[in-house]
Amino acid sequence: SYELTQPPSVSVSPGQTARITCSGDGLSKLYTFWYQQKPGQAPVLVISRDTERPSGIPERFSGSASGTTATLTLDGVQAEDEADYYCQSGDSSATSVVFGGGTKLTVL
Amino acid sequence: QVQLVESGGALVKPGGSLSLSCAASGFTFRDYYMSWIRQSPGKGLEWVAYVTNSASSSATSYAVSVKGRFTISRDNAKSSLSLQMNSLRVDDTAVYYCARAVYGSGTYYFDYWGQGALVTVSS
Repeated sequence: SYELTQPPSVSVSPGQTARITCSGDGLSKLYTFWYQQKPGQAPVLVISRDTERPSGIPERFSGSASGTTATLTLDGVQAEDEADYYCQSGDSSATSVVFGGGTKLTVL
Repeated sequence: QVQLVESGGALVKPGGSLSLSCAASGFTFRDYYMSWIRQSPGKGLEWVAYVTNSASSSATSYAVSVKGRFTISRDNAKSSLSLQMNSLRVDDTAVYYCARAVYGSGTYYFDYWGQGALVTVSS
């Protein structure tokens, strides 16, 4: 297994763009998935397979990936986007799952 | 709509055992992989185990931290997922989430989650 590395925190003002990165050797071969978790709630999938936005997720959420780094971008951040964000992938044998340590997004 | 409802969370002494259940509804349970994921207080998410669907013989896989102590199982007739936890340790204290897993392109992801069950291991 390997590790996924995220910045512990990101801060942005309302209306600005927030970018959260996720780095790991396995990401060059496997998809990255992103989850949003608000206090006291279960995680919600916001980006699937690097770039796909599930039904019901606002268009301001987008994902990208290049080499060993995946990025979650929030264009036009709103106060309601303040939450913890986790990236997730797997291993090449598809026998385990790995999560990043999480990034706390603060909307100033 | 998809619903996952966990039950069985409790306070347990170190070395003890506990069983968690997850009642699933709103989808064809037997067709999906299922998983348990946990979150220690104030910490990040940690994958615990998964079980494949019937077509894949309900195969299981575990995180290194729980292998040999935890057992995941499913009852397709009851649309139910279980996690039997033995030899519990203080560091197993966490909220345990049941999640529906989707397999594709070499990895799994989780498209629906329950609200979680709190397991506290303390003397």
